[in-house]
Amino acid sequence: SYVLTQPPSVSVAPGKTATITCGGSNIANKNVHWYQQKPGQAPLLVIYYDTDRPSGIPERFSGSHSGNTATLTISRVEAGDEADYFCQVWASSSDHVVFGGGTKLTVL
Amino acid sequence: EVQLVESGGGLVQPGGSLRLSCVASGFTFSDHYMDWVRQTPGKGLEWVGRSRNKANSYITEYAASVKGRFTISRDDAKESLYLQMNSLKSEDTAVYFCARTTPGGVGDYWGQGTQVTVSS
Repeated sequence: SYVLTQPPSVSVAPGKTATITCGGSNIANKNVHWYQQKPGQAPLLVIYYDTDRPSGIPERFSGSHSGNTATLTISRVEAGDEADYFCQVWASSSDHVVFGGGTKLTVL
Repeated sequence: EVQLVESGGGLVQPGGSLRLSCVASGFTFSDHYMDWVRQTPGKGLEWVGRSRNKANSYITEYAASVKGRFTISRDDAKESLYLQMNSLKSEDTAVYFCARTTPGGVGDYWGQGTQVTVSS
């Protein structure tokens, strides 16, 4: 089965740039989606189809991927960005959705 | 406004059954794929399964961990999605979310979840 690997935690100072990676075999050939989840809340879609932002998501959030790694970048990080972030793909070979293990973003 | 409201969670003994419901509003339910996703305490998200839309014959797909035990169904007239869970195990303990999704797996709207606890 397809596996997505994320770092358990990332820390960043306010105003700096946070980079959260998501590793998977040939992930550049898949569509990657990213979710933000704050404690006690449902996941919120922040990036879909690698680079697109839903309405209402700040431009500070961006996505990219190359080779075996997809990346969520949050520019000018704010305290309110502190949350867990999950990457996700649709594994067409198995008709299954796959989530990464999640990354806890801490704003110092 | 799109809303998804789950219900039906609770405490159940190992080997027991439970049926979760997800009532949708604010969009044309029959047009959309719908997923169930669960989250164990303090851990990550796990996809449970999917119901395709009417145009795709309501085909369902399941994660290996629940296949044969869980069944997803829907009633478009009631704008509702269901998850019938049988032969429950302790490892099924989780918050269960329903999500509106796309064929490519984009979960653009999620409910707030319902807690399922499997314990004797």
